[in-house]
Amino acid sequence: AQKITQTQPGMFVQEKEAVTLDCTYDTSDPSYGLFWYKQPSSGEMIFLIYQGSYDQQNATEGRYSLNFQKARKSANLVISASQLGDSAMYFCAMREGPSYDKVIFGPGTSLSVIP
Amino acid sequence: EAGVAQSPRYKIIEKRQSVAFWCNPISGHATLYWYQQILGQGPKLLIQFQNNGVVDDSQLPKDRFSAERLKGVDSTLKIQPAKLEDSAVYLCASNLWSGANVLTFGAGSRLTVL
Repeated sequence: AQKITQTQPGMFVQEKEAVTLDCTYDTSDPSYGLFWYKQPSSGEMIFLIYQGSYDQQNATEGRYSLNFQKARKSANLVISASQLGDSAMYFCAMREGPSYDKVIFGPGTSLSVIP
Repeated sequence: EAGVAQSPRYKIIEKRQSVAFWCNPISGHATLYWYQQILGQGPKLLIQFQNNGVVDDSQLPKDRFSAERLKGVDSTLKIQPAKLEDSAVYLCASNLWSGANVLTFGAGSRLTVL
């Protein structure tokens, strides 16, 4: 069963604007972690941000923030002030359980930043 | 610190041939993952090691894929015999322990099966 859903296969955003990439997940485990990774055309997977299920505050890392709505089981990535270099595939991922559990990825969203 | 090393970066083989990929994780990282990423899709977990033990291999096609992590350090993923649908990028990732907040990925090994 699909546990990570990213409903936006492709997104466009104007340079310097903010954009939200959607991610919903499904788990019955009270302890889990959520990740976002960026994959540019070069193919490398770049870690962006992490949110633990027990974290009280939404995670932020520079221009990246994670809008964590636990009751809705959503973990949307917000990129502020988009740059041309933000054009890439973005993957949401989840680890269930506190340890020794696999990390599964969603299908990804392709983001294109328009000058 | 040195990153996750993978080789070869590219490999082209014919169907029914065999291929092996190697991964050297970051020093001290106990958990190692192999993912298969088919073009246009998200990475799919094939196998997860904790030190030299297998934690999860539920999605590994065991009739043709095998993986080992001797001595709990580097790892090898083998495909024998390869099929056309095995064409993908094989990504290796590691983290300090399986509950750590960051997986660090290697550059990947791109396999083309003709």
